[in-house]
Amino acid sequence: DAEITQSPRHKITETGRQVTLACHQTWNHNNMFWYRQDLGHGLRLIHYSYGVQDTNKGEVSDGYSVSRSNTEDLPLTLESAASSQTSVYFCASSEAPGRETQYFGPGTRLLVL
Amino acid sequence: DQQVKQNSPSLSVQEGRISILNCDYTNSMFDYFLWYKKYPAEGPTFLISISSIKDKNEDGRFTVFLNKSAKHLSLHIVPSQPGDSAVYFCAASAQGAGGTSYGKLTFGQGTILTVHP
Repeated sequence: DAEITQSPRHKITETGRQVTLACHQTWNHNNMFWYRQDLGHGLRLIHYSYGVQDTNKGEVSDGYSVSRSNTEDLPLTLESAASSQTSVYFCASSEAPGRETQYFGPGTRLLVL
Repeated sequence: DQQVKQNSPSLSVQEGRISILNCDYTNSMFDYFLWYKKYPAEGPTFLISISSIKDKNEDGRFTVFLNKSAKHLSLHIVPSQPGDSAVYFCAASAQGAGGTSYGKLTFGQGTILTVHP
């Protein structure tokens, strides 16, 4: 079955370190998204991609970057982790424009000390 | 500026009764709306959606109502079951230029639904 996976599921890191969260989907979807979930804010869009070599900033992109070198993967990098980036991160994917239903991964819980 | 708002952080209902979850939006360009359900330690899962050309969409126990003039939508669950206990997120998207959706979703804060046996 097609799926979307995230790794690691849990991560503890220190302030200032670079961290990369992996997202891999086998749906062959063109669109991929990264969100963070925080209490009182719901899900907020960090970065998104509409295809290989395409990346775009979302609502809360400061301190994060993504790259899209193939259809299946969209890794999220925290350049220099900050305590404010402690959160639960979700990756999602959807078909080409016109299909808004997004399918989510299980999430990565990140703690920055 | 929160473009999609779920003003009730939590809702508690008895098994068998109706659950009504509400969502308000401010962006008049939104024309497609979705509800997602999320269990602890899992990713959100798609539940039901509605296009702005409709005012109601039904799928089994779940019905979504859209009131465009009030910029309000609601999710009705009838009858509610203990397994429905989860966080429910409302989300909205706007069609891009030329009728092509860019696929971006704006989410509300979520409502925690608890269904008591």
